[in-house]
Amino acid sequence: SAVISQKPSRDICQRGTSLTIQCQVDSQVTMMFWYRQQPGQSLTLIATANQGSEATYESGFVIDKFPISRPNLTFSTLTVSNMSPEDSSIYLCSVSGGELVADTQYFGPGTRLTVL
Amino acid sequence: GQQLNQSPQSMFIQEGEDVSMNCTSSSIFNTWLWYKQDPGEGPVLLIALYKAGELTSNGRLTAQFGITRKDSFLNISASIPSDVGIYFCAGRGSNYKLTFGKGTLLTVNP
Repeated sequence: SAVISQKPSRDICQRGTSLTIQCQVDSQVTMMFWYRQQPGQSLTLIATANQGSEATYESGFVIDKFPISRPNLTFSTLTVSNMSPEDSSIYLCSVSGGELVADTQYFGPGTRLTVL
Repeated sequence: GQQLNQSPQSMFIQEGEDVSMNCTSSSIFNTWLWYKQDPGEGPVLLIALYKAGELTSNGRLTAQFGITRKDSFLNISASIPSDVGIYFCAGRGSNYKLTFGKGTLLTVNP
């Protein structure tokens, strides 16, 4: 398996500000993903973070709102920009491939974001 | 797009009972994964299934990859209080993206 850490674990932010969430994994992985999970809901994929190139965003998510970096095989950041209360959610980093068992996918502990 | 139907939405059982939950899809998946999520935590991978018809166990958990590749089930035997949580199925297609079910909330009464 993989050990994944996320910082911060939680935050309370004012609308209009931005928050950058960090994800660190203890193995070199091919794929890193960012998900959003709203209260009582399932997980929704925001984007796939690609090393050395721009992230691939899912329908309904755009780079200006959720810029992503992936500088190497073990680290990624997700920024939630110009936040509004509707962005209150749990944001989860997830990893797959590389040194991990093929076709498995692991999740970080999540970042609980509240926007006032 | 692909959709996963997970059932039941919730279950309330007595300690020691067996539990079964399942997911069905409108599309074929290459891999089925089952996760458990505790409050305030990220999903934890329980079982991964890679071949149609595959039956895999992990302690008291047993899961099967349906022969049509469009469904999977998870059984928990002799439930205990720490089994409480939300269980998610997820299917992975050829694009390596996971599609998640809506979850099954399990409550175990001691």
